[in-house]
Amino acid sequence: AQSVSQHNHHVILSEAASLELGCNYSYGGTVNLFWYVQYPGQHLQLLLKYFSGDPLVKGIKGFEAEFIKSKFSFNLRKPSVQWSDTAEYFCAASYSSASKIIFGSGTRLSIRP
Amino acid sequence: EAGVAQSPRYKIIEKRQSVAFWCNPISGHATLYWYQQILGQGPKLLIQFQNNGVVDDSQLPKDRFSAERLKGVDSTLKIQPAKLEDSAVYLCASSLATGHSNTEAFFGQGTRLTVV
Repeated sequence: AQSVSQHNHHVILSEAASLELGCNYSYGGTVNLFWYVQYPGQHLQLLLKYFSGDPLVKGIKGFEAEFIKSKFSFNLRKPSVQWSDTAEYFCAASYSSASKIIFGSGTRLSIRP
Repeated sequence: EAGVAQSPRYKIIEKRQSVAFWCNPISGHATLYWYQQILGQGPKLLIQFQNNGVVDDSQLPKDRFSAERLKGVDSTLKIQPAKLEDSAVYLCASSLATGHSNTEAFFGQGTRLTVV
C-alpha cells in the first residue's frame, strides 16, 4: 500500500541550529511530494512541493527539500531555525495527477529560544 | 484569493447523535478532499471528489459517514450516529488538480469535533 513515513515524532532544537526532518515514501512510480506546516492554531500550509525537474526544491521561509529517488526520500532542511519555526511538519505524497494525497504522521518541532 | 471555508469551527455532541460539517472550496477548484486528523496523527483521507463525482472513498466508514458535493462546489460531511472515536479535526481541502495536472491542496481551518 502507498504510504509516507516520518522518522521523528518530536524534534527539539535550539535557535540557529540546523534542521533535517526525514521523510520516506513507498512505491517506485511517479510521485508528487509535499511538505506542509501547521503552526499552532493555524491551518495546514504548503512549505514546498516537488512534481518534477530539479530534485532540490526551495520553499518559503528558508526551507528546502531534496528528492532522492534511489532512497525514496524527501527530507526537509533548514540551515538555521528560528523560534517561529515551532510547528508540526507533515510530509505528503500523491502518486499520479489528481490522485489522493497521503500524509505522514507528522513531526513536532520545538525550538528553544 | 479567498481560502477554503469550513463551518462550524468547533462542535461538541453526545455519542449516537448526528453532526454535519460544511465546506466551501476555493473558487474554480475541481478537487475537494475531506480528511480526518486524530490528535497526534497525520491527516487521513476520508473522501475525494472531482467536481461532483467521488474519486476515492475507500477509507470512509460508510455505515456512519456520508458526504456529498452538490453541483461540484460546496460539500457536506455527515456522521450518523457518532462514536467516541470520531473525536478529531475534520479538514476540508481543495485543489485545481484534474486528471491531467498536478497541484497542491489548500486546507481550511478545520472543524474540531468532540464526542462525549
